[in-house]
Amino acid sequence: RKEVEQDPGPFNVPEGATVAFNCTYSNSASQSFFWYRQDCRKEPKLLMSVYSSGNEDGRFTAQLNRASQYISLLIRDSKLSDSATYLCAVIPHFGNEKLTFGTGTRLTIIP
Amino acid sequence: DAGVTQSPTHLIKTRGQQVTLRCSPKSGHDTVSWYQQALGQGPQFIFQYYEEEERQRGNFPDRFSGHQFPNYSSELNVNALLLGDSALYLCASSPPRELGEQYFGPGTRLTVT
Repeated sequence: RKEVEQDPGPFNVPEGATVAFNCTYSNSASQSFFWYRQDCRKEPKLLMSVYSSGNEDGRFTAQLNRASQYISLLIRDSKLSDSATYLCAVIPHFGNEKLTFGTGTRLTIIP
Repeated sequence: DAGVTQSPTHLIKTRGQQVTLRCSPKSGHDTVSWYQQALGQGPQFIFQYYEEEERQRGNFPDRFSGHQFPNYSSELNVNALLLGDSALYLCASSPPRELGEQYFGPGTRLTVT
């Protein structure tokens, strides 16, 4: 089983819709969780850290479910500019602070 | 405030050659990590440098080596290049005690022919 798994998509969503992605992780001791956004042929950019209590940044909401070992990203009122690949990343455990990425979920917002 | 910078942006090499990629971290960051991203995949961790030493290493062969300098900049060296080494090589820096908050440079796209 991969350490971090994502549905690769593509997700084709009409503008203004709400879209949600999940990302599962295999190591129950994982410490920290992140969502990155990557535009085509560009570098990943940190979108949000994911906290145990969940967190929100404008139209974006991230949740952590430790019992089921997944994190989620919800995008409300999607914009054309949200079209990108969304990567989840996990730090496996304290003392092993490398980021382990999923393969990414490709999102296209349709006008 | 400059972000993470990498050079060169693109590189074409032949099988068997050696390559050196360079990275300057964001101001105030002391840790540099290197990743390899193949097409359609997420970045794969190569290694991480802190205080001029390799702190962690991913599942990459010894052909991949690195260095960190006193000014925190870093190099990634790959020897005996293989066709499969063709990828986007990303450098990421992180501030002290915040290893999860990694800021990526634009990457070096390496093509091995």
